[in-house]
Amino acid sequence: GAVVSQHPSRVICKSGTSVKIECRSLDFQATTMFWYRQFPKQSLMLMATSNEGSKATYEQGVEKDKFLINHASLTLSTLTVTSAHPEDSSFYICSASVQGKTQYFGPGTRLLVL
Amino acid sequence: GQQLNQSPQSMFIQEGEDVSMNCTSSSIFNTWLWYKQDPGEGPVLLIALYKAGELTSNGRLTAQFGITRKDSFLNISASIPSDVGIYFCAGSDNFNKFYFGSGTKLNVKP
Repeated sequence: GAVVSQHPSRVICKSGTSVKIECRSLDFQATTMFWYRQFPKQSLMLMATSNEGSKATYEQGVEKDKFLINHASLTLSTLTVTSAHPEDSSFYICSASVQGKTQYFGPGTRLLVL
Repeated sequence: GQQLNQSPQSMFIQEGEDVSMNCTSSSIFNTWLWYKQDPGEGPVLLIALYKAGELTSNGRLTAQFGITRKDSFLNISASIPSDVGIYFCAGSDNFNKFYFGSGTKLNVKP
């Protein structure tokens, strides 16, 4: 149990385009989902906390208009990187919280902006 | 913000050896989690701890929630090559936000 999927697993896009990443909890309902960014050889950096039916809470320094988060249901959250630029290239990982007591991570999405 | 120190940063050990890594925080946590991350993949939950003093095992892995609630350790016994990866600790003080350690990179020589 507690499986989280992400789609796509990797994406290459042109600078200026927008990219949407989906995060789904497959066998449980997650009231809270988290979005992280990870640079090579570094730890996970929390970008935002997403609660179903309400606006996401963004960490300091993360532009909410740049990284749009929608948590439409208890099993789906999406992250849209708008007007992507090469510096947005990174590994994006979501996680889903089970009753607020732990987090299960998705497999991650590798984004490359050319 | 919360400070989470994880050590060591990296380890090179021989297959069969035991491994120990730990995390300390600047404040009290009520949850400690340990994850393993392989290259290009998301972290996989290994062990979750919810009570001070709790000692939990998962196969060859054992983790403990420190009595002070400011630290936790993870032990791996009789390491094997597939234990290679990066191990992260994560702590939470309010069930809704987790702070991550910087990771321990484990290398196992066959």
